[in-house]
Amino acid sequence: GQQVMQIPQYQHVQEGEDFTTYCNSSTTLSNIQWYKQRPGGHPVFLIQLVKSGEVKKQKRLTFQFGEAKKNSSLHITATQTTDVGTYFCAAPSGSARQLTFGSGTQLTVLP
Amino acid sequence: NAGVTQTPKFQVLKTGQSMTLQCAQDMNHEYMSWYRQDPGMGLRLIHYSVGAGITDQGEVPNGYNVSRSTTEDFPLRLLSAAPSQTSVYFCASSVSGIYNEQFFGPGTRLTVL
Repeated sequence: GQQVMQIPQYQHVQEGEDFTTYCNSSTTLSNIQWYKQRPGGHPVFLIQLVKSGEVKKQKRLTFQFGEAKKNSSLHITATQTTDVGTYFCAAPSGSARQLTFGSGTQLTVLP
Repeated sequence: NAGVTQTPKFQVLKTGQSMTLQCAQDMNHEYMSWYRQDPGMGLRLIHYSVGAGITDQGEVPNGYNVSRSTTEDFPLRLLSAAPSQTSVYFCASSVSGIYNEQFFGPGTRLTVL
């Protein structure tokens, strides 16, 4: 079925540095979602991107959907300790009734 | 609204035992799903349901059964637990399907000895 490859698997940054995680697919995606999971918690929805080339911002977070709708990125500007957690992308699988998650990027922010 | 609730929070089983993980939502969502989360592997879909009376298999269904007799409840049954089923299990729901925001429950941490 549909797979989304997410990189990097881990990222350590100093507080105040920027952070980016990427999701890539070999096929065109109808949409892509992003979730955040705090340590010991459950995934929480951040955003959904649908249009080719779409860019959405939530405060320090910027989400992009590639022109070909095969890749997406999440960029955090000036990370804070509250940004710690694992960030997942998710996209519909071939059946269009299943959501496939990337393996996640675990972000550590050093104070 | 309580959102999505899961019980128990923690469970230890012996190999071969059976048990049911409970999931309930009070948002009148049509779509519900079960995921398991293992280190470095993200979330993998076990089973899902698009409405009461309708269930289907996800990516890793073997060893698990589900039913959806009501809109609110979506229990996950482990038929004969195996150590490979040691994982964190999340239930999720959404208004109508995968093109909507998924709301996750707090999870059940299961250990099979």
